[in-house]
Parts: sequence; structure tokens; C-alpha cells
Amino acid sequence: NAGVMQNPRHLVRRRGQEARLRCSPMKGHSHVYWYRQLPEEGLKFMVYLQKENIIDESGMPKERFSAEFPKEGPSILRIQQVVRGDSAAYFCASSQRGEQYFGPGTRLTVT
Amino acid sequence: AQSVTQLDSQVPVFEEAPVELRCNYSSSVSVYLFWYVQYPNQGLQLLLKYLSGSTLVESINGFEAEFNKSQTSFHLRKPSVHISDTAEYFCAVTEGSNYQLIWGAGTKLIIKP
Repeated sequence: NAGVMQNPRHLVRRRGQEARLRCSPMKGHSHVYWYRQLPEEGLKFMVYLQKENIIDESGMPKERFSAEFPKEGPSILRIQQVVRGDSAAYFCASSQRGEQYFGPGTRLTVT
Repeated sequence: AQSVTQLDSQVPVFEEAPVELRCNYSSSVSVYLFWYVQYPNQGLQLLLKYLSGSTLVESINGFEAEFNKSQTSFHLRKPSVHISDTAEYFCAVTEGSNYQLIWGAGTKLIIKP
């Protein structure tokens, strides 16, 4: 059973470009969470999704950030018009009941 | 509001010495508690968890943590550390069946040879 997969592992974008981060949950898991880890900080919750539904997006910045988890395919975290402050590690986790399993993360660097 | 405090941002310790990484939380309801480990350039892995039952929980690699409700703590301990334990350790809490994990800022464990 493959774990949570994220791609790309490293992403470099220039200011103003779009970043798309993908997360494939563990087989059988229908709950996906996105977290952001800024340098020297802990993880901050961004959004919680189930298939085709956003359950809680209270941690998402109001502008430029969006997330989806379609019926088929991976969950996508989309950042439009990236700025230097978006540089961080973005982790995805999945669960079915309770415990969350994490992917290896995507390290986004905005130049 | 619920919060998690990891007082030490870094803990240096000699190899084969004991270590304790501290975690305190604030919550007025029942909680589930977790320790996650992040090895260099890797994602997070669950190290151990407390959901109910015995307040002392153990991991397969020699770590243990004790849930202390009166002190609202869940400190992580290992009697003898190894160089391979070099990592960042995160404490996390969720209230009851709430899905959202609240995270501490992490503690870097630095093993000195």
C-alpha cells in the first residue's frame, strides 16, 4: 500500500507565476489535509477536504490560494501569482479515521 | 483556544545520553496527543500517539511519552539516544474527534558524538 504521494518534491517559481501542488492520498483514504511549514516554524493547518467538498478552509489565505479534491485524481493546492512569502514546505496528509499520514512534502521556492 | 507549546527549539545531547523533549498543551476537553518526527529532508512520520488507556505509550525505536492530564503535558523521552535520532520532533494535539491537529513549533534534537 503506497503512502501519501506528493509531487513535485521541489518547485521553483518566479514571482507572479502559478504553483500547482499535487497530493495523492493513501488508498482508501477520502480525507485530505494541507499544511504549510514556514522556515523555523511548525506546521500550520490550511485546508481540509473530502472528495469534491471543502470541509474547512479556515487556514487558507483569503486570496490567491485554492484547493480541490476531485472525484477522480489527486488533490490540488493552487497558488496564483506567487510572492516570495509563499516560499515554504507544503505537506499533505490523508486519513480515513483519526490518524493522519503525511506525504514527503513539496518545497516551493519563489525567486 | 487550544495551543501546543514546545519550550525548547533545540536540544543538544551527547550520544547514548538520555533526553526529554517537552510538550505542553492547553485544552479543557479530552484530547488525543501525537508525536511526529521529521528526519532531514523528509516528511513527517508518526512516532507515537495517545488516544486512551495507558498513559505511557512507546514507539518501536525506544521513545516513550507519558500523558499527564493534571500537568497537561506529553513529554517525549528516550533513555539512550543514537546519532540516527537526529531529527525535528513535533508534538500535536486534537480535541476528541476533531480532525484538526494543532502543532507545536518543533524541537530539533541534535546528537553530539
